[in-house]
Amino acid sequence: GQSLEQPSEVTAVEGAIVQINCTYQTSGFYGLSWYQQHDGGAPTFLSYNGLDGLEETGRFSSFLSRSDSYGYLLLQELQMKDSASYFCAVRDDRDDKIIFGKGTRLHILP
Amino acid sequence: DAGITQSPRYKITETGRQVTLMCHQTWSHSYMFWYRQDLGHGLRLIYYSAAADITDKGEVPDGYVVSRSKTENFPLTLESATRSQTSVYFCASRVASNTEAFFGQGTRLTVV
Repeated sequence: GQSLEQPSEVTAVEGAIVQINCTYQTSGFYGLSWYQQHDGGAPTFLSYNGLDGLEETGRFSSFLSRSDSYGYLLLQELQMKDSASYFCAVRDDRDDKIIFGKGTRLHILP
Repeated sequence: DAGITQSPRYKITETGRQVTLMCHQTWSHSYMFWYRQDLGHGLRLIYYSAAADITDKGEVPDGYVVSRSKTENFPLTLESATRSQTSVYFCASRVASNTEAFFGQGTRLTVV
């Protein structure tokens, strides 16, 4: 079977840094992606890690450790507009489908 | 307009009726996906397609049927709607060589 585990909710303060973890157990693995979804909206792509290490895109960074089946999304200089749900997703290298975790709801306090 | 569009945006149907959700993309992406989103379950894959005339089951395919006669269209049909199929449905597409998936705006389906 395939499963992705991430915390259901995280709370942080505006201007701070927050890390959202994701552990996965999948039969096939091509890479780990992160998506953001605001209330009432569609998921939008944030980042992708195909290899171990850190990928940085502005205030957002994503990390992957294939040996640990673990990754995280790091959000820096939090802004109120970052309040959203964040999903990790695995692309399966056997059949190319994309499976999502259940999502982490990020609450940001002023 | 370019992009991926779903229709209708909102639909209310009765138990036992057949209903089809439409998905159209203008990029000629080879891969297309259908997900349903429910509280506490995140996004669950219903069906996906690697190309025209090629479809495969995802995590929760029961009660759904898909077809893909043309690259740009990927309709999802609920053959006999049940209340448990009340959900928000998202269609997505991506290029074969890339990982980024692009999502439609979703269809909120209510089965009464």
